[in-house]
Amino acid sequence: AQSVTQPDIHITVSEGASLELRCNYSYGATPYLFWYVQSPGQGLQLLLKYFSGDTLVQGIKGFEAEFKRSQSSFNLRKPSVHWSDAAEYFCAVSMIYNQGGKLIFGQGTELSVKP
Amino acid sequence: EADIYQTPRYLVIGTGKKITLECSQTMGHDKMYWYQQDPGMELHLIHYSYGVNSTEKGDLSSESTVSRIRTEHFPLTLESARPSHTSQYLCASSDRGYGYTFGSGTRLTVV
Repeated sequence: AQSVTQPDIHITVSEGASLELRCNYSYGATPYLFWYVQSPGQGLQLLLKYFSGDTLVQGIKGFEAEFKRSQSSFNLRKPSVHWSDAAEYFCAVSMIYNQGGKLIFGQGTELSVKP
Repeated sequence: EADIYQTPRYLVIGTGKKITLECSQTMGHDKMYWYQQDPGMELHLIHYSYGVNSTEKGDLSSESTVSRIRTEHFPLTLESARPSHTSQYLCASSDRGYGYTFGSGTRLTVV
């Protein structure tokens, strides 16, 4: 069955430090991959997405992610974290060829930023 | 500006009441979805629709029902609310499955 795993439930980084959030997926075909961010009490905002082509994708707010097929991973990175980045981050895979593009979400990683 | 709208944002209601959570989108997307999310937890798909007059149940069993009479509108109804229905409900739409646009959510509390 298709699944998405985010191994880190909670991460704390210092402001200005680099960030990497991990995401692993299990999917039989070439996946469509997404990262979303959710601020407290809000909906989800799309940070970036990967469909094909260059395996390093750039997103909004200075985020990037790298697709590694050999590792079934799609890790999210940011070189320098800002206090406003504190939020919940969700990785997702789209079942584009099954059930009309239904998104399967990981469990989420909560990011805290300390001064 | 939001292209997908959910109302109300917050709702506190008594047990046994019937409620309808509204979701509307202005993007002309065929596919729409309802997710349920408990605080700090992952999202669980409870309903989805491929288009008008199409509705399907998602991965998480839910006592709610949905309808899709118009492309832009995908309301969710609970006939008799219970405390176990307390959660956040997120609506989303997509164009051909290439990622979703989410609404801001409805936080429901049943007392």
